[in-house]
Amino acid sequence: SQQGEEDPQALSIQEGENATMNCSYKTSINNLQWYRQNSGRGLVHLILIRSNEREKHSGRLRVTLDTSKKSSSLLITASRAADTASYFCATALFMETSGSRLTFGEGTQLTVNP
Amino acid sequence: DAGITQSPRHKVTETGTPVTLRCHQTENHRYMYWYRQDPGHGLRLIHYSYGVKDTDKGEVSDGYSVSRSKTEDFLLTLESATSSQTSVYFCAISESEILCQPQHFGDGTRLSIL
Repeated sequence: SQQGEEDPQALSIQEGENATMNCSYKTSINNLQWYRQNSGRGLVHLILIRSNEREKHSGRLRVTLDTSKKSSSLLITASRAADTASYFCATALFMETSGSRLTFGEGTQLTVNP
Repeated sequence: DAGITQSPRHKVTETGTPVTLRCHQTENHRYMYWYRQDPGHGLRLIHYSYGVKDTDKGEVSDGYSVSRSKTEDFLLTLESATSSQTSVYFCAISESEILCQPQHFGDGTRLSIL
């Protein structure tokens, strides 16, 4: 079953603008991860936020996590054409019986126009 | 980039034929995963491995089998391919499960079953 759901499904902005993508999930998590996928390539890990963290920064990326609302957001500031890609959130949960699982949402397609 | 190689990168085959996809890693990571990516479904886990000869089923394992005889190689086999198995297949590796660490992905195999 799908754990994460991204919103919006598609986002088109101009270079220099900020892009915000949201992710909602349904069950408890150990951490939440964001990945980027360029066309025809595999997923690349961007940032991980633990369940006891509320905000995390990495370069132009800012991730927030609200476990009470079971939601996360990814903000890309000062976007560039090279940021054009699909972005996925993935919830991570470790269970003694089945190990660690990443459950991916369907992704947000971001297009940054020059 | 993590040393993950998937082969072949593209394959077209006919319904009913066996197909084997290979994932090769040079990172000596213990955990390896096979996912499929389909529009409207995101990434779904097929099978995973937590060591040599240690494998288990994921979310969508029916019609697939796996083998891992060496740390570096994880094979995915479709015993008798069906059109519903047309998809893009991704291999991923991870160093640790307990800490729910990020996974590193190969560039995928695009499989078409006619």
